[in-house]
Amino acid sequence: DGGITQSPKYLFRKEGQNVTLSCEQNLNHDAMYWYRQDPGQGLRLIYYSQIVNDFQKGDIAEGYSVSREKKESFPLTVTSAQKNPTAFYLCASTSDPRARDQPQHFGDGTRLSIL
Amino acid sequence: GQQVMQIPQYQHVQEGEDFTTYCNSSTTLSNIQWYKQRPGGHPVFLIQLVKSGEVKKQKRLTFQFGEAKKNSSLHITATQTTDVGTYFCAGWSSSNTGKLIFGQGTTLQVKP
Repeated sequence: DGGITQSPKYLFRKEGQNVTLSCEQNLNHDAMYWYRQDPGQGLRLIYYSQIVNDFQKGDIAEGYSVSREKKESFPLTVTSAQKNPTAFYLCASTSDPRARDQPQHFGDGTRLSIL
Repeated sequence: GQQVMQIPQYQHVQEGEDFTTYCNSSTTLSNIQWYKQRPGGHPVFLIQLVKSGEVKKQKRLTFQFGEAKKNSSLHITATQTTDVGTYFCAGWSSSNTGKLIFGQGTTLQVKP
């Protein structure tokens, strides 16, 4: 079945540590997105990529980094500069963002907590 | 920047009561999408509205897109406990940056 796979499901970060969240899709979608969701809150865009080897900052990019070396993969690194990383992280993809009529498909998410 | 606002933020209803959430955009939208996120889950696409004044139904759910294409609503008739979750509206950025702008969501609780 086609879909988006995020791993791990739960992740714990120590002070001063960088951690990387994995996101893989086999939908052959061009665009991929990372969102952060805090309890009872909406979705805030961290980074997005419309094509391989290109990505743009979203609304809350500080303390995060991404890469898009392959179409299927869009890993997110939460750096030690992100002082409040505890949240639910969602990866999403869409087939053609230029069409502006495609739905986004989401992975199951990663819950990140500070130790 | 472009904003999409939703009200109310939370709604508690008794099972069998109706529920409505409203979505307003600061700019005209080409279309609007609705998503549902169950507790502990991820958002799932429900529907997309494209035409001015469009109304679409999915069983007990009725979706409307305003005449000016700046607002939308989702109405659930006779809520059930399976309707529990957070409902998001979303519109694509008018500046064509490839961003989908989400509303803050309305969380629905249904008391059996």
